[in-house]
Amino acid sequence: NAGVTQTPKFQVLKTGQSMTLQCAQDMNHEYMSWYRQDPGMGLRLIHYSVGAGITDQGEVPNGYNVSRSTTEDFPLRLLSAAPSQTSVYFCASRSGDSYEQYFGPGTRLTVT
Amino acid sequence: GDSVTQMEGPVTLSEEAFLTINCTYTATGYPSLFWYVQYPGEGLQLLLKATKADDKGSNKGFEATYRKETTSFHLEKGSVQVSDSAVYFCAPRGSGGTSYGKLTFGQGTILTVHP
Repeated sequence: NAGVTQTPKFQVLKTGQSMTLQCAQDMNHEYMSWYRQDPGMGLRLIHYSVGAGITDQGEVPNGYNVSRSTTEDFPLRLLSAAPSQTSVYFCASRSGDSYEQYFGPGTRLTVT
Repeated sequence: GDSVTQMEGPVTLSEEAFLTINCTYTATGYPSLFWYVQYPGEGLQLLLKATKADDKGSNKGFEATYRKETTSFHLEKGSVQVSDSAVYFCAPRGSGGTSYGKLTFGQGTILTVHP
């Protein structure tokens, strides 16, 4: 049972490039979320999903796309990277009847 | 929407000192309240929770009481250890409207404990 896994751990992009941050969980959780963590701002919700085929926007969705074709996977796509997207990104999951969210180890993204 | 105000850090303590990290929140309805901890280089982990007024959450020597009248959920520990050095996040989980089921995180409080 690996929990929530994220790849890559580190990434450097140039402005305008696109990429996908991968997230997978093996706990059969319905709920999955993407957060970004910036100094002094805590974690802010980007997008979330309540089940396969269902996604919705969080607090800061602009510049990011998500899809949820399976229960296990919830990739986050940066369409055209900007320096303002330099951050640490965390994926999280939980089951519908649980209070606890499980977080992945994070992806540190730098956009130059 | 929901919001959280957390005690600003960083907080630096000596081992065995008493710790308090203040947290107040605004939320619609009756949120569940959580403290998460982030150790260096890791993701967040649930530290403790309280799901209704006057509940006390506790774990690893940490405690926090859900105070509905003051909308607070202060984190305390009687004797901190070097291994408690981490970033601590207060997070209510919304119970109504557009906040339902969503965690709102405070900005985090960095705690450093010296031997």
